[in-house]
Amino acid sequence: GAVVSQHPSRVICKSGTSVKIECRSLDFQATTMFWYRQFPKQSLMLMATSNEGSKATYEQGVEKDKFLINHASLTLSTLTVTSAHPEDSSFYICSATNRDNIQETQYFGPGTRLLVL
Amino acid sequence: QQQVKQSPQSLIVQKGGISIINCAYENTAFDYFPWYQQFPGKGPALLIAIRPDVSEKKEGRFTISFNKSAKQFSLHIMDSQPGDSATYFCAASIRGQGGKLIFGQGTELSVKP
Repeated sequence: GAVVSQHPSRVICKSGTSVKIECRSLDFQATTMFWYRQFPKQSLMLMATSNEGSKATYEQGVEKDKFLINHASLTLSTLTVTSAHPEDSSFYICSATNRDNIQETQYFGPGTRLLVL
Repeated sequence: QQQVKQSPQSLIVQKGGISIINCAYENTAFDYFPWYQQFPGKGPALLIAIRPDVSEKKEGRFTISFNKSAKQFSLHIMDSQPGDSATYFCAASIRGQGGKLIFGQGTELSVKP
C-alpha cells in the first residue's frame, strides 16, 4: 500500500515551453501532496504544499506563477512549470500523506527528471 | 530552530560492518522522525520511523536510536551490504501540520564488498 506514481519519469523540452508533471496516489486518498525539487547530491527542497480543492502554499522564494500547482482530487496533483528555462532543469519529486494515517507519513513518488534545452 | 542537522555527509563502510548516521534537531515540538533511503534517480522511500516516546526502534538490520534529552537520533545499519549503498535522509515533523517534513542534508553511504 501507499504507492505514489509520477508521470512522466523524464521529459526534455525547449526553453520557453511549459511542462506538466502528474502525481497520483494509487491506493490511498491523499490529504496533502507536496512538491519538491532536488539538485544533484543535495537534499530535497520543498517547493509547495497542496490540499485538495484549495490553493497551494508555496515556500519562500518559489514563484507561484512559474510553478503552477493544481490539486483537483484526493488522488491527483499536477505541477506545471511555465515558460521553462535551462535553470529549471532538475529532479522534481512529489509526495503524499495518507488521509487515514494519523502520523501523516509522507510517501514519495519516483521523481521526474526535467531537462530544459 | 527548524533545522535538522545530519552527519556525516558521506560514509564508506566495509561489507558486514555497522553504518551509523546521526541527526540533531532544536525544535522540541517535533514528534515524528522518519528515515528515508534514496537510490540514484529514484524517489525517497520510507525506511523506518520513530516517535519520541520510545528510545529505540528496530526493523530487521535497521535501528533508530533516539535521545530526547540530547535532541539527537541516529540510524544504525547492521551487517551493511553493498545493496545498502544509497543516500539516507533523516527528517522531522510535527503532527497536525499535514505531514510537512524538515529534512537533514543527507548522507551518501557506500558499502564496499
